[in-house]
Amino acid sequence: AQKITQTQPGMFVQEKEAVTLDCTYDTSDPSYGLFWYKQPSSGEMIFLIYQGSYDQQNATEGRYSLNFQKARKSANLVISASQLGDSAMYFCAMRVGGTSYGKLTFGQGTILTVHP
Amino acid sequence: KAGVTQTPRYLIKTRGQQVTLSCSPISGHRSVSWYQQTPGQGLQFLFEYFSETQRNKGNFPGRFSGRQFSNSRSEMNVSTLELGDSALYLCASSAGPPPRETQYFGPGTRLLVL
Repeated sequence: AQKITQTQPGMFVQEKEAVTLDCTYDTSDPSYGLFWYKQPSSGEMIFLIYQGSYDQQNATEGRYSLNFQKARKSANLVISASQLGDSAMYFCAMRVGGTSYGKLTFGQGTILTVHP
Repeated sequence: KAGVTQTPRYLIKTRGQQVTLSCSPISGHRSVSWYQQTPGQGLQFLFEYFSETQRNKGNFPGRFSGRQFSNSRSEMNVSTLELGDSALYLCASSAGPPPRETQYFGPGTRLLVL
């Protein structure tokens, strides 16, 4: 079975500062993908960044980067230069193997609040 | 490209009724997945359809069912509604093989069961 753990229920950051959201995962499958999504209060899940288990480099997408430490089974999201619009719930999620069609396993999420 | 659309956005039903939710995927995406999100259980996978076939199913009772049409649009049905079915139901579409496939989500349907 797969499991995603997000240990920070809430995080606060000052505008323009960087923030790291923690995510650890557990799977015995060597092939997996890790995703981060942002969910504003409107409810829509917005895809932010992806990291594959065989990717050699950490993923980056604009202000988002993923600190992937395979041996520690962690995939932390780093948001640089935080903006007020970054205030939202953030979910870490995982897909494994080639037959778990469509199934993302999500963590419990971290609520990020950006202060002006 | 237009994103994933879901209708209706809000629904109020009473216990015992049934409900049908609709999802239109991103053009060209053939995989559609459904999730239930509640404050207590978080995000849980319901099922996934590809080319009108259900390929994967989560741990939900048989009251939850779905289908996919030839144009990749999908519907989800919940029969004999219970209070605990109140949730945000999210649909996601994707293209490409797992595990790299990225799922793109719609705005969700908020269902309230009274």
